[in-house]
Amino acid sequence: GDSVTQMEGPVTLSEEAFLTINCTYTATGYPSLFWYVQYPGEGLQLLLKATKADDKGSNKGFEATYRKETTSFHLEKGSVQVSDSAVYFCALSGFEGGSEKLVFGKGTKLTVNP
Amino acid sequence: ETGVTQSPTHLIKTRGQQVTLRCSSQSGHNTVSWYQQALGQGPQFIFQYYREEENGRGNFPPRFSGLQFPNYSSELNVNALELDDSALYLCASSGAGTGYTYEQYFGPGTRLTVT
Repeated sequence: GDSVTQMEGPVTLSEEAFLTINCTYTATGYPSLFWYVQYPGEGLQLLLKATKADDKGSNKGFEATYRKETTSFHLEKGSVQVSDSAVYFCALSGFEGGSEKLVFGKGTKLTVNP
Repeated sequence: ETGVTQSPTHLIKTRGQQVTLRCSSQSGHNTVSWYQQALGQGPQFIFQYYREEENGRGNFPPRFSGLQFPNYSSELNVNALELDDSALYLCASSGAGTGYTYEQYFGPGTRLTVT
């Protein structure tokens, strides 16, 4: 079945450092790809998405490019802030039992220190 | 525009009991999906409801059941609770049913603890 593998955490960075969180996927067909963020004690918020190969999703300084040839969707940010501390989930859309559902990776916890 | 809301926020139940969790979808959304997020894990798809019918199910036993109402709000029911059911339960709403990749908007979740 469809699956998502993302970089194990936790990741600890200093403010203004460069961030990369790796994500690769296995899927039949051509899924859409997403990054969600979860702040402590909260639900998931959609950070960015890409719906086809070579699309770049971007939001709040974060970017990710849909790479079909490497089945990857790595998350990057050029200069992280303390407020970016959260858990980041890579996900793909897939079909199961007739419905479209999200398949998530296990999450990567990011801590940014001042 | 009102976002996805869930109730209650936290719940503590005893093994063997039954629980009902509630979700109100975002305005204009007719599809509701439920996910279980165990501690330290990514969310796992439980099932989806579209126009009051179950529209797909993940690898969860029949003691997990649900409903969707005409106003598109939804309930998740879990019978015969087990310790492993302790998790954050997330509801997500989206704008259409099968065949479309609409963004799913998540609620804040219900934290269920089974003792």
